[in-house]
Amino acid sequence: GAGVSQSPSNKVTEKGKDVELRCDPISGHTALYWYRQSLGQGLEFLIYFQGNSAPDKSGLPSDRFSAERTGGSVSTLTIQRTQQEDSAVYLCASSSARQGAYGYTFGSGTRLTVV
Amino acid sequence: GDSVTQMEGPVTLSEEAFLTINCTYTATGYPSLFWYVQYPGEGLQLLLKATKADDKGSNKGFEATYRKETTSFHLEKGSVQVSDSAVYFCALSNFGNEKLTFGTGTRLTIIP
Repeated sequence: GAGVSQSPSNKVTEKGKDVELRCDPISGHTALYWYRQSLGQGLEFLIYFQGNSAPDKSGLPSDRFSAERTGGSVSTLTIQRTQQEDSAVYLCASSSARQGAYGYTFGSGTRLTVV
Repeated sequence: GDSVTQMEGPVTLSEEAFLTINCTYTATGYPSLFWYVQYPGEGLQLLLKATKADDKGSNKGFEATYRKETTSFHLEKGSVQVSDSAVYFCALSNFGNEKLTFGTGTRLTIIP
C-alpha cells in the first residue's frame, strides 16, 4: 500500500487478556520495526525484522511479548496476559534494505489501553 | 549504550517567535542524527537529518546542525507558526545499527 497500516487504531482490553496488533508495511520494504510510545517515556524499541534474517528481539520487555512476520510482509505483535503498564501507543515502521534507518515510514499506531 | 536527551517540555510560544529545542546525545562511533515530528492524530514523520559532523539538516524552515564537539543537534526555527504545534523527537542511528534511539519528545504549542 501507500503507507504503513496498523490495526486496530484503538484497543481497550481487560487486564490478563491477550491482544494482537497488526502491521502492514509498505510493499517491498524488507525491514519492519515495532516501537512503543509510553507517556513520558519517549519511543522504546521492541523488535526488528529484516528480510529472512532472525529478528532482533532485544527490546521486548518480557516474555509476554512476541512478534512474527509472515511471508516477509505483515507483522503481528502479541501481548499475552496484558498488564496495565502495557498501556501505550504501539508504532510500526518499515524501511527498504537500502535506506535502513534513513528511510523509516511510521504507521499511525495502535493505542492500547489495559483496564 | 546510545542515548538521546531532549529538552523537556511542554514548550509554548507565540506565533513568529524563535524556537530552539535542545538535543544532546551519547554514542560510540559516528551516529546519524534525526528530528522526527508527530502532528496531532498523525504518525511520526522525518523532519530532517544529518549524517556527519557539521552537516546541517533543514526542512520546512527548521534547521539543526550536527555538532560533534558538543554532541548536540539542536532544532531551530526563526519564526514559528500555529501549524508547527506538534511533538518533536530527536533520534540517532549508529553505524551498522538499523534501530533508532529516540529522546522522550518535546511537545510544542504555538499560540496565535
